[in-house]
Amino acid sequence: GNSVTQMEGPVTLSEEAFLTINCTYTATGYPSLFWYVQYPGEGLQLLLKATKADDKGSNKGFEATYRKETTSFHLEKGSVQVSDSAVYFCALGADFEGGSQGNLIFGKGTKLSVKP
Amino acid sequence: DVKVTQSSRYLVKRTGEKVFLECVQDMDHENMFWYRQDPGLGLRLIYFSYDVKMKEKGDIPEGYSVSREKKERFSLILESASTNQTSMYLCASSLCPPGSCTDTQYFGPGTRLTVL
Repeated sequence: GNSVTQMEGPVTLSEEAFLTINCTYTATGYPSLFWYVQYPGEGLQLLLKATKADDKGSNKGFEATYRKETTSFHLEKGSVQVSDSAVYFCALGADFEGGSQGNLIFGKGTKLSVKP
Repeated sequence: DVKVTQSSRYLVKRTGEKVFLECVQDMDHENMFWYRQDPGLGLRLIYFSYDVKMKEKGDIPEGYSVSREKKERFSLILESASTNQTSMYLCASSLCPPGSCTDTQYFGPGTRLTVL
């Protein structure tokens, strides 16, 4: 079945360092791919998404490219800030017969801590 | 902006109590979801609903039930709370017009439930 695997954390970086959080998926069909972010004490917020192969999602300096050949959707940021400290979740849209019902399958999350 | 609200941020209950968690969304979304979030396990889907009075089991429905009497409101019910239901509970909603659901889910802030 469909699944998402993302790198385990926690990840600790210094401010202005380069960030990569790996995410790979297994899916039939052509699901959309997402990154959600959860700041301390809050619910999840959509960070970025991509709906088809080679699409690049971007927001707040974060980027991820939908790579069908490697079934990956790695999250990157060139220069992290202390305010980026959060838990990041990779997710894919779960297709059902006849099309999506809007369900998502989430990875287990990666906690990022950025030190000044 | 879509707004998803949950009735409580923090809740403490005793074993055996009946617990109601309420979720309300203000964007006329068809789909609503209940997840629980636990360290190391990520988000797990408990139940979802794609229409009023409709419900579908997610991955871990045991010990829970749901109610959707109105489109904007989706309630999670713990019939007899147990200590292993201590967790963070997240509600989400998404748009699902006829023929094509969108995958982007909007989350509430979460309810941290402790069962003593």
